[in-house]
Amino acid sequence: DAGVIQSPRHEVTEMGQEVTLRCKPISGHNSLFWYRQTMMRGLELLIYFNNNVPIDDSGMPEDRFSAKMPNASFSTLKIQPSEPRDSAVYFCASRHSGGAYEQYFGPGTRLTVT
Amino acid sequence: AQSVTQLGSHVSVSEGALVLLRCNYSSSVPPYLFWYVQYPNQGLQLLLKYTSAATLVKGINGFEAEFKKSETSFHLTKPSAHMSDAAEYFCAVSALNSGNTPLVFGKGTRLSVIA
Repeated sequence: DAGVIQSPRHEVTEMGQEVTLRCKPISGHNSLFWYRQTMMRGLELLIYFNNNVPIDDSGMPEDRFSAKMPNASFSTLKIQPSEPRDSAVYFCASRHSGGAYEQYFGPGTRLTVT
Repeated sequence: AQSVTQLGSHVSVSEGALVLLRCNYSSSVPPYLFWYVQYPNQGLQLLLKYTSAATLVKGINGFEAEFKKSETSFHLTKPSAHMSDAAEYFCAVSALNSGNTPLVFGKGTRLSVIA
């Protein structure tokens, strides 16, 4: 069974450009989470969805960040415009509500903004 | 509300020595507890979980953890460290009947294994 799929795995962009990160959760999972990980701040929860509906976006750092989940099998995290301080590894995770609440993580997207 | 404290941001052990990574939790209701491992340049991978069954939980790669309610602890151990165990380890907590709220993660402990 395929795990959580994220694309791209690496992204290098210039400051001011729009960046879109993509996530495909595990089939049948109905909760999806976006995290950011940096050396300075560790692992931070940005936003999460239940049944495609955003539940808590209080972790989104600024209005430059937005996330959508148009259907159960796809989510995007967009940064517009990007800044060097957005450089981090972004993880997507999914979970089935009937499980023992464990979350399954994707391999991450390493974003570098120059 | 739940919280997790991992004691020690960095632990270093010799190859073949005991590994002990500490995790204390806070929860007003019966918790579910998890350990995740993150190898370099990879995502977090579930190592083991406690879901109110046996208090001693065995996971992958020879790791185990014991739930101690009286000490509010869920420490991770492995009898003999291997070089391949070098990674970052995260403890996480969720609460029974918490619905679909996210896991609460600790800040992580980086394990180094010295040859």
